Amino acid sequence: AQSVTQLDSQVPVFEEAPVELRCNYSSSVSVYLFWYVQYPNQGLQLLLKYLSGSTLVESINGFEAEFNKSQTSFHLRKPSVHISDTAEYFCAVTPSGAGSYQLTFGKGTKLSVIP
Amino acid sequence: DAGVTQSPTHLIKTRGQHVTLRCSPISGHKSVSWYQQVLGQGPQFIFQYYEKEERGRGNFPDRFSARQFPNYSSELNVNALLLGDSALYLCASSTGTGGQALFFGSGTQLSVL
Repeated sequence: AQSVTQLDSQVPVFEEAPVELRCNYSSSVSVYLFWYVQYPNQGLQLLLKYLSGSTLVESINGFEAEFNKSQTSFHLRKPSVHISDTAEYFCAVTPSGAGSYQLTFGKGTKLSVIP
Repeated sequence: DAGVTQSPTHLIKTRGQHVTLRCSPISGHKSVSWYQQVLGQGPQFIFQYYEKEERGRGNFPDRFSARQFPNYSSELNVNALLLGDSALYLCASSTGTGGQALFFGSGTQLSVL
């Protein structure tokens, strides 16, 4: 079984400041890792994913996350946030390999960007 | 192309009633998964279907059931509703191949009174 811990339930940050949203996971098998974003009254949208290869993955809107196997972490970072980044962010894992789509999510981190 | 569509968007039921939620996946996607998101929590896995067969089931009671149709759309059924079933129910589709991300619909907000 897998579990995901998002250490911060709420993160307020000023506009144009950097931000890090923390995610740690537990699993006895290899995993795929994901970050999803949820805007108010909407479903989840994929932000980025780690399957294999380079441990640093990037999204098209400036977010990046680094897979650290020894620390079982997959923290999300952005060097300069915008008002439009205000949303809830979920870290998720699933066992690697074909056909497994039982995502285990963390409880989420609400990012509030302050003008 | 249309994304994942879910209906209805909102639903109000009373305890003991039955509810059916519907989902149409992205065209070409053969796998549909259902998740329950209680307010303030992350989504919890309920079911996954691929090519009309159940691939996985989360820790939910037998009151929850689902099926996938030949056109890959899906229904989630919940019997004997409880107050605790009030949640946002999310449907997600994918190609079904390993490592591919899930694409989520906007969900059905179910309120049980």
